[in-house]
Amino acid sequence: DVKVTQSSRYLVKRTGEKVFLECVQDMDHENMFWYRQDPGLGLRLIYFSYDVKMKEKGDIPEGYSVSREKKERFSLILESASTNQTSMYLCASRPLPRDTTSNTEAFFGQGTRLTVV
Amino acid sequence: AQTVTQSQPEMSVQEAETVTLSCTYDTSESDYYLFWYKQPPSRQMILVIRQEAYKQQNATENRFSVNFQKAAKSFSLKISDSQLGDAAMYFCAYRSVRANFGNEKLTFGTGTRLTIIP
Repeated sequence: DVKVTQSSRYLVKRTGEKVFLECVQDMDHENMFWYRQDPGLGLRLIYFSYDVKMKEKGDIPEGYSVSREKKERFSLILESASTNQTSMYLCASRPLPRDTTSNTEAFFGQGTRLTVV
Repeated sequence: AQTVTQSQPEMSVQEAETVTLSCTYDTSESDYYLFWYKQPPSRQMILVIRQEAYKQQNATENRFSVNFQKAAKSFSLKISDSQLGDAAMYFCAYRSVRANFGNEKLTFGTGTRLTIIP
């Protein structure tokens, strides 16, 4: 089974702290994603990566950065945490489709509930 | 940009009954994929069912089936013989077919919380 593991299920940080959320997948997937989940807003894409050291901004990248130094690991960084970044963060990975008709599935981690106080 | 709308924030159904969750989407593309994901209290997102837009036949997975209406841009999920384990948040999602990098993201709706009444 594919496993996507997020380093923490719950995290409490102080305003202004630098926060690292780690995600590791064990299936050699090329694509990795960070989503933020808020009630009434669904899941919104923060950043994604399609290869080592490659990244693309999603819909809400402000206040976040990412790092992908190894294929299996994708880190989300909050440079200076703020209370409006209190949320649930979900990591996902997905293999690269072979062609335009391939419909490969995305696999999600169990989420990190971050509280910034 | 594509958008996905789930107009039912909450739904409830009696155990063993059938329930339908609604989803509409907006896109200018002719080819794409649609998904329903389930998020139980454990928070683990699980793929329930997927549909390729080029396929006319509605997808089914055991007790789960979809009603895909391409012209109406509607993609509803029907759960038959509802079970207590079906209680969860359900998300509808859209993805472009193009395999170009930058088009791999899933666009999600806001979710529907399904309660099963024993």
